[in-house]
Amino acid sequence: DIQMTQSPSTLSASVGDRVTITCRASQSISSWLAWYQQKPGKAPKLLIYKASSLESGVPSRFSGSGSGTEFTLTISSLQPDDFATYYCQQYNSYLTFGGGTKVEIK
Amino acid sequence: QVQLQESGPGLVKPSETLSLTCTVSGGSISSYYWSWIRQPPGKGLEWIGYIYYSGSTNYNPSLKSRVTISVDTSKNQFSLKLSSVTAADTAVYYCARLNPTLGGDYDILTGYYYHPFDYWGQGTLVTVSS
Repeated sequence: DIQMTQSPSTLSASVGDRVTITCRASQSISSWLAWYQQKPGKAPKLLIYKASSLESGVPSRFSGSGSGTEFTLTISSLQPDDFATYYCQQYNSYLTFGGGTKVEIK
Repeated sequence: QVQLQESGPGLVKPSETLSLTCTVSGGSISSYYWSWIRQPPGKGLEWIGYIYYSGSTNYNPSLKSRVTISVDTSKNQFSLKLSSVTAADTAVYYCARLNPTLGGDYDILTGYYYHPFDYWGQGTLVTVSS
């Protein structure tokens, strides 16, 4: 099975900060990686698919990059609505999620 | 706008079978893959399995022996059955759609296609307790 490791597990940041979250796959997954945002009590929301493609309706401050085993999600200027938990998910073989990164207010 | 809604008992006894249904509205169940994902309280997400509208299924190997997913295209619904539940199966259960138009590919090793999830239900908490 492909394991997904996210870092950090928690990130403290302020509004306006540039934020980067890393996701590593235990083996190459090409570009078959998605990023989701989840707020408390809500379902995850798709932000990025195919490593760097922005889902329709998602603000352009969100961007994704990477291929193979190393991926990043960047929020260029953190907004109040962005405080949430973020998950990466590979869809190369079976479907597995990273452990999540909680972005909290500094 | 596609909407998904989970329904089913919120409390299941240990050793019994958990049964949930997901109703899809605002679009047809045809031509997509439909999945179940769960999230134990305070923890991360675990994929349970998916079904194609035609009825073919693919399950997480760690749950395969206990999971059955079925589809009823006439009702635009798909369902989950998880047998022999324990307290470890207590979780919020989500249904979701996998969208092939967002990329993904055929995995030779497993013999299945995989895609990202684009629509999710709101989730339903199922507690396993006597």
